[in-house]
Amino acid sequence: QSTLTQPASVSGSPGQSITISCTITSSDIAGYNYVSWYQQHPGKAPRLIIFDVTNRPSGVSDRFSGFKSDNTASLTISGLQAEDEAEYYCSSALFGSTFFGGGTSLTVL
Amino acid sequence: EVQLVESGGGLVQPGGSLRLSCAASGFTFSTYAMIWVRQTPGRGLEWVSGVSASGDSTYYADSVKGRFTISRDNSKNTFHLQMNSLRVEDTAMYYCTKELWQNHVPQGPFDHWGQGTLVTVSA
Repeated sequence: QSTLTQPASVSGSPGQSITISCTITSSDIAGYNYVSWYQQHPGKAPRLIIFDVTNRPSGVSDRFSGFKSDNTASLTISGLQAEDEAEYYCSSALFGSTFFGGGTSLTVL
Repeated sequence: EVQLVESGGGLVQPGGSLRLSCAASGFTFSTYAMIWVRQTPGRGLEWVSGVSASGDSTYYADSVKGRFTISRDNSKNTFHLQMNSLRVEDTAMYYCTKELWQNHVPQGPFDHWGQGTLVTVSA
């Protein structure tokens, strides 16, 4: 069974906000704030957009925000743009092992 | 500018071996843990292996433990993944990645990724 569970797909219209959830099923890692989010466009390498639940690396738009409550993390993208259409992966880690969610495909209608 | 460039991928028969390499530049390589992550269409992203900044500590996913060996050469700013006893299920795009934090356990977040090298295991 997957340690991190994401919806397979979400969609939204330009200008809207969407939220992607990531349910952490392992109690070992749920209590830690080692949640990251990656964006991946087709044919490209993943790109880090959120780390440690809420932090954005330099250069990442503030339209991306992260949150975590208990065993569920979430990524919110506000003011959807066509360029946001991509695959999004959540990730967590503990004791030198890293886990990824199955990915969520975002469609901008 | 941080750059990570993978090499060494290719087609190999089941049971065969490959050695992947990643050349790094644009940062103080010897102070960052480095990691291999692979991706298949059916299984998404999968963490494979990580090595500490010094090279003294290594970490492996259960799926590759005992078959893959990660190593690094800080004098050449490179790190490697020796893959033995390859299986069809090892077929994937392999990415080398860099740990965000200096002198941290190689468990992410991964702030830079290479473009990947494709490994195909098939008879």
